[in-house]
Amino acid sequence: RKEVEQDPGPFNVPEGATVAFNCTYSNSASQSFFWYRQDCRKEPKLLMSVYSSGNEDGRFTAQLNRASQYISLLIRDSKLSDSATYLCVVNRSNQGGKLIFGQGTELSVKP
Amino acid sequence: EAEVAQSPRYKITEKSQAVAFWCDPISGHATLYWYRQILGQGPELLVQFQDESVVDDSQLPKDRFSAERLKGVDSTLKIQPAELGDSAMYLCASSSSPGFGEQFFGPGTRLTVL
Repeated sequence: RKEVEQDPGPFNVPEGATVAFNCTYSNSASQSFFWYRQDCRKEPKLLMSVYSSGNEDGRFTAQLNRASQYISLLIRDSKLSDSATYLCVVNRSNQGGKLIFGQGTELSVKP
Repeated sequence: EAEVAQSPRYKITEKSQAVAFWCDPISGHATLYWYRQILGQGPELLVQFQDESVVDDSQLPKDRFSAERLKGVDSTLKIQPAELGDSAMYLCASSSSPGFGEQFFGPGTRLTVL
């Protein structure tokens, strides 16, 4: 079983839709959590950090449930430009900041 | 805006040949990472440097891969000999605070082994 697992994709949604991505992690020692975005054939870029209290950045909302070892990302009012692969990432800070990536969930927003 | 530089962007080689990739992190970032990303998967850490020292190379296939960061700034990742299964994107990232800080990725080197 992989340490970080995400919903298998791809997700194909119309513009304006709300889409949710789910992620689970198996190592309870994980300290910090992120969502990275990766455009086709480009490098990953940080989308947002994920905090226990939940956090929102515009149309994006991330939530963390440490007890269930579950992370989510909600995108409201999807735009064509949101089309990308979304990577769930956990940081084992007790191991020098090693990032463990999920396999990614591809999102395609259609007009 | 400061960026992580990598070269070459693309490399095609035949199996059993040697290849080398170069990375220049964001100035002042003491922590440098090399990741390998196979198509359809997330990046996987190969090696992590703190300044010139290796912090984690547990996933580096040491029989054929080597990495160095001699002066604690830029870094080179080498594969010798290359195998068909090494075809992937090799990403370099850097961070100013490895515990909790964001990692900034370079554009990557896409390696194809024929």
